[in-house]
Amino acid sequence: EAGVAQSPRYKIIEKRQSVAFWCNPISGHATLYWYQQILGQGPKLLIQFQNNGVVDDSQLPKDRFSAERLKGVDSTLKIQPAKLEDSAVYLCASSLGSRTEAFFGQGTRLTVV
Amino acid sequence: DQQVKQNSPSLSVQEGRISILNCDYTNSMFDYFLWYKKYPAEGPTFLISISSIKDKNEDGRFTVFLNKSAKHLSLHIVPSQPGDSAVYFCAASTGNQFYFGTGTSLTVIP
Repeated sequence: EAGVAQSPRYKIIEKRQSVAFWCNPISGHATLYWYQQILGQGPKLLIQFQNNGVVDDSQLPKDRFSAERLKGVDSTLKIQPAKLEDSAVYLCASSLGSRTEAFFGQGTRLTVV
Repeated sequence: DQQVKQNSPSLSVQEGRISILNCDYTNSMFDYFLWYKKYPAEGPTFLISISSIKDKNEDGRFTVFLNKSAKHLSLHIVPSQPGDSAVYFCAASTGNQFYFGTGTSLTVIP
């Protein structure tokens, strides 16, 4: 079974630039999550989708972050404009439902300089 | 507001001995708990979970204990192996989203 795919693995951008991350979840998984993990901290949920609808985006900085999940499968997370404090690993995860374990991708390490 | 806490940033254990990783939570509405293991440059991988209706769940060398009255869970690894060296995150859920602790870095010394 293929796992959660994310790209790119690494990205370096200057502050005020924009960046986009892509995620392809495990086939058949209805729930998709985007997490932000800052160095030394645990993953923090940014947004959760159930199929192509948003379940929770309460911790998403909506003035600069946006995410979509078209057709209930792939998802993209965008940051525009980026700030220095956005430097983190962005993890995508998927699960069959919100009460089952989530499977994580390898993450995208973003460095904002 | 850290609802899930792992107060030990690191732990070192001799190979063959027991590793005990601890996790505390504050939200009494959490009813599903998980442990994840993370190697460098990889995403977290699911290890073991427990529902709040149980107080113990075992899977091979890994056992998770839940003490609801103390709002505490622990992961026991017996016997510890060098390949277990990784960062371990506990997570808790109310059924909507998962809240993660800050992780404990386990080093198993050969």
